[in-house]
Amino acid sequence: GAVVSQHPSWVICKSGTSVKIECRSLDFQATTMFWYRQFPKQSLMLMATSNEGSKATYEQGVEKDKFLINHASLTLSTLTVTSAHPEDSSFYICSASRGRDTQYFGPGTRLTVL
Amino acid sequence: KQEVTQIPAALSVPEGENLVLNCSFTDSAIYNLQWFRQDPGKGLTSLLLIQSSQREQTSGRLNASLDKSSGRSTLYIAASQPGDSATYLCAVSNFGNEKLTFGTGTRLTIIP
Repeated sequence: GAVVSQHPSWVICKSGTSVKIECRSLDFQATTMFWYRQFPKQSLMLMATSNEGSKATYEQGVEKDKFLINHASLTLSTLTVTSAHPEDSSFYICSASRGRDTQYFGPGTRLTVL
Repeated sequence: KQEVTQIPAALSVPEGENLVLNCSFTDSAIYNLQWFRQDPGKGLTSLLLIQSSQREQTSGRLNASLDKSSGRSTLYIAASQPGDSATYLCAVSNFGNEKLTFGTGTRLTIIP
């Protein structure tokens, strides 16, 4: 149980385009979902926390207008990277929790912006 | 602000050896601490979770200890195998906050 999926697993896009990444909790309802970014050989950095039906809370230094997060249901959150640029190329990982519980992580999405 | 550090950054050991990975954190008011494994280009696999009231947790060949007062945790891997090669991350959450703060990771290579 407690499986989290991400789609797509990898994506290549041109600079200036927008990319949407989906995060789904497959067998449980996630009250909270988290989005992380991981640059090569670095650790995970939390970007934002989202609760179903409310606006996401962004970490300091993360542009909320560039990284749009929607948590429309208890099983789905989406991250849209708007007007992507090469410096946005990274590994994006989501996680989901059922409350004050451990976070269950998705397999990640590799974004490459040309 | 919570900061988590892992030492060493990289470690190579021959197969069969026992080894210890270290994690330290600056704010001892943690809710729990987790150890994760990450294979290259993949997501995270949770290995062990230690609540703040616990001293250790064990799963198979893995044992994690927690000394909250000194801000330290160790992950002990017994009888290492080549399949243990991965990056190991520790992460802490603080009271009143679900957010996880991740350490810098230890890249482990087990030499056959």
